[in-house]
Amino acid sequence: AQSVTQPDIHITVSEGASLELRCNYSYGATPYLFWYVQSPGQGLQLLLKYFSGDTLVQGIKGFEAEFKRSQSSFNLRKPSVHWSDAAEYFCAVGVFSNTGKLIFGQGTTLQVKP
Amino acid sequence: DTGVSQDPRHKITKRGQNVTFRCDPISEHNRLYWYRQTLGQGPEFLTYFQNEAQLEKSRLLSDRFSAERPKGSFSTLEIQRTEQGDSAMYLCASSSSLSGDFSGYTFGSGTRLTVV
Repeated sequence: AQSVTQPDIHITVSEGASLELRCNYSYGATPYLFWYVQSPGQGLQLLLKYFSGDTLVQGIKGFEAEFKRSQSSFNLRKPSVHWSDAAEYFCAVGVFSNTGKLIFGQGTTLQVKP
Repeated sequence: DTGVSQDPRHKITKRGQNVTFRCDPISEHNRLYWYRQTLGQGPEFLTYFQNEAQLEKSRLLSDRFSAERPKGSFSTLEIQRTEQGDSAMYLCASSSSLSGDFSGYTFGSGTRLTVV
């Protein structure tokens, strides 16, 4: 069955430091992969997505993610974190079928220290 | 295009009452999804419509839940005889099947339900 695991429930980084959020997926075919960000009480904003092609994907707000098929991973990175990046981050895999539903990980909460 | 709209943003109800949420998708999107997100968890798929047809329902969608999309535009999600365990954020999303499975997948801001 398809699944997504985000091993880190909570991460704290200092402002200006680099960031890596981990995501591992289980899916039988080439996956469609997504990273979303959610601020408190808000909906989900798409940061970036991977469908095919270049395994290093650039997104909004200076984020990037790298697809590694051999490790079944799609880790999110940012070279320098800003205080406004504090939020909850979700990795998701798209189920390639007639429905197009997404399966989400349980999320990683990012706290940024000044 | 105003994106995906959900109404209300917040709903507080007493246990046992019925509640109904509305979702207005992006106008040209023929696919509509409902997800539920409980505290500290990622969103979980509930149901999917293509136009007015409800094509998939999760086992999470008990018989107290019903969703409709009568004219293939807006959708409603009704919960009957609410329970405290129904407290969650209910998210709606829409997309177009014409542009690939996941292109243009857009979420609304959600309806937060609190059952007291």
